[in-house]
Amino acid sequence: QQQVKQSPQSLIVQKGGIPIINCAYENTAFDYFPWYQQFPGKGPALLIAIRPDVSEKKEGRFTISFNKSAKQFSLHIMDSQPGDSATYFCAARKTSGSRLTFGEGTQLTVNP
Amino acid sequence: GAVVSQHPSRVICKSGTSVKIECRSLDFQATTMFWYRQFPKQSLMLMATSNEGSKATYEQGVEKDKFLINHASLTLSTLTVTSAHPEDSSFYICSAKVGPSTDTQYFGPGTRLTVL
Repeated sequence: QQQVKQSPQSLIVQKGGIPIINCAYENTAFDYFPWYQQFPGKGPALLIAIRPDVSEKKEGRFTISFNKSAKQFSLHIMDSQPGDSATYFCAARKTSGSRLTFGEGTQLTVNP
Repeated sequence: GAVVSQHPSRVICKSGTSVKIECRSLDFQATTMFWYRQFPKQSLMLMATSNEGSKATYEQGVEKDKFLINHASLTLSTLTVTSAHPEDSSFYICSAKVGPSTDTQYFGPGTRLTVL
């Protein structure tokens, strides 16, 4: 059972655009929501993470928006660059748990 | 800091042989390590959670006798794929938590296994 649904599956933007990737979850026991970036043939790298007690978190060009009542969170990439072309995964983890539940992934292409 | 390495990065083996993959936390002690499998253009699927000094906890549907996990020290976990078959060909990725009370998991670079 997929507990974290991610959309879109793929996304193409022009350089400088602001791609937005969305995730929705069902389990209200989730309390930690990280985003990972993965390049082909490499392991995922942590980009940014948020907890439900804040509605927004910004680190560099990456921003997470969190809507607790809607059980949704999204990643925004400001001033996107071709080097941002990668697959992005959202994830969620339950309170007092260790395992991460991943979304299906979004393949982002930033054209020059 | 918080670097996780995996060895080998790629391995090709014949059907029926066993393959061992190592996962090391280079600059921290990892009480908990995780093993994932990822098929092309798919998400990461958790196979098992490994705690140092105790038996691994396997996810439903993962054969514990086929995928042997050992976490003998705070910096090393190994995954052995026994009697590998072509359907075991995949990208295997480990991750480690920096500490038991922290949120962050750091991932290794992955191991590409091809079974002929």
